[in-house]
Amino acid sequence: SQTIHQWPATLVQPVGSPLSLECTVEGTSNPNLYWYRQAAGRGLQLLFYSVGIGQISSEVPQNLSASRPQDRQFILSSKKLLLSDSGFYLCAWTTWVARGANTGELFFGEGSRLTVL
Amino acid sequence: DAKTTQPTSMDCAEGRAANLPCNHSTISGNEYVYWYRQIHSQGPQYIIHGLKNNETNEMASLIITEDRKSSTLILPHATLRDTAVYYCIVRPLTGTASKLTFGTGTRLQVTL
Repeated sequence: SQTIHQWPATLVQPVGSPLSLECTVEGTSNPNLYWYRQAAGRGLQLLFYSVGIGQISSEVPQNLSASRPQDRQFILSSKKLLLSDSGFYLCAWTTWVARGANTGELFFGEGSRLTVL
Repeated sequence: DAKTTQPTSMDCAEGRAANLPCNHSTISGNEYVYWYRQIHSQGPQYIIHGLKNNETNEMASLIITEDRKSSTLILPHATLRDTAVYYCIVRPLTGTASKLTFGTGTRLQVTL
């Protein structure tokens, strides 16, 4: 079965420090991978998505970056965190659907809660 | 930009049906409607999806209008555990990859 792991679960970092959040998927190949951010009481904001190794699409200009060094690994990074980077970060994956093969749903990780002080 | 719009919040009495609307007036012919819900501090979970026919599973029913420009998620007998934020999104299932954007969702409060 497919699973998605995301870590760390919680993180408290000072302004200006670096960030690295990791996400790995098991049990599938060539998934589409996504990073979302959710500010307190707000909806899900798409940050990055990837359709393959080394292929990253950025949706929101910011001081964050993403990388996909392996097929099932997605990393969110920052060189210098801002206060506004605080939030709940979610990694997700999905695949393209062959008829009857699966539901095409997005599977989300457990999330990483980042507090920048 | 999200391709769907939903009311910000709704209330429902426990045991009654909760009907959650979603507008997706710019939906393309190859895009499906998906519904997710997010309980506080967790990742969203899939509920149901459909193309143009009404769908039902153990969690909910999905009613899609004939012109496919809107849909309604129905929780037939809402319980307190259904209190959550509900999102609808549209996505194609074949072809090249696409970004998947969520709107602000509907915060459903189920009350006694």
